[in-house]
Amino acid sequence: GAGVSQSPSNKVTEKGKDVELRCDPISGHTALYWYRQRLGQGLEFLIYFQGNSAPDKSGLPSDRFSAERTGESVSTLTIQRTQQEDSAVYLCASSSSTGWAEAFFGQGTRLTVV
Amino acid sequence: QKEVEQDPGPLSVPEGAIVSLNCTYSNSAFQYFMWYRQYSRKGPELLMYTYSSGNKEDGRFTAQVDKSSKYISLFIRDSQPSDSATYLCAMSQGAQKLVFGQGTRLTINP
Repeated sequence: GAGVSQSPSNKVTEKGKDVELRCDPISGHTALYWYRQRLGQGLEFLIYFQGNSAPDKSGLPSDRFSAERTGESVSTLTIQRTQQEDSAVYLCASSSSTGWAEAFFGQGTRLTVV
Repeated sequence: QKEVEQDPGPLSVPEGAIVSLNCTYSNSAFQYFMWYRQYSRKGPELLMYTYSSGNKEDGRFTAQVDKSSKYISLFIRDSQPSDSATYLCAMSQGAQKLVFGQGTRLTINP
């Protein structure tokens, strides 16, 4: 597809379970971002991948959160031992090396921890 | 103190009004300034992108950046009900993470 694709679109999980969220960026985009958006709130930065550089992990809230990206392709965000406060929409965005500030967002994964 | 401050609103105006949305920031290293629009249950979409200080116009939308005051604005002229959404400002130092404001929820009443 032409846009950023995220899966699943919705995920309900039990507290304590691990979840894995997937992001397929726009083909050729070197930069990839993960953000978290709690209900009625702004976007909270989680992690940023730029090409082969070391990722900026400064926004990950705890060691239960991790993310991987292989080259310039798919990224996965993993949340271990989920807690109720992890409930939010997780948004992925990608941008090109020449238009890096013009980030294109996916529709997000709505995570509910019960 | 948050790096980027944005009044969450809500803001409600009649159709046809001029809307002014604003953000302030504390990091003087920010050079790139963006406005995103987010409809309910959708991902944000880029509206305007400005480098450094100055104005940029695109149709009914005008973005202004005043780096001396660390203040950015988005103006919407002849507002339409379809403009009802949450508007998020974002900024960055360079090829680094985008830092977002909280977003302002805007409603245009017919």
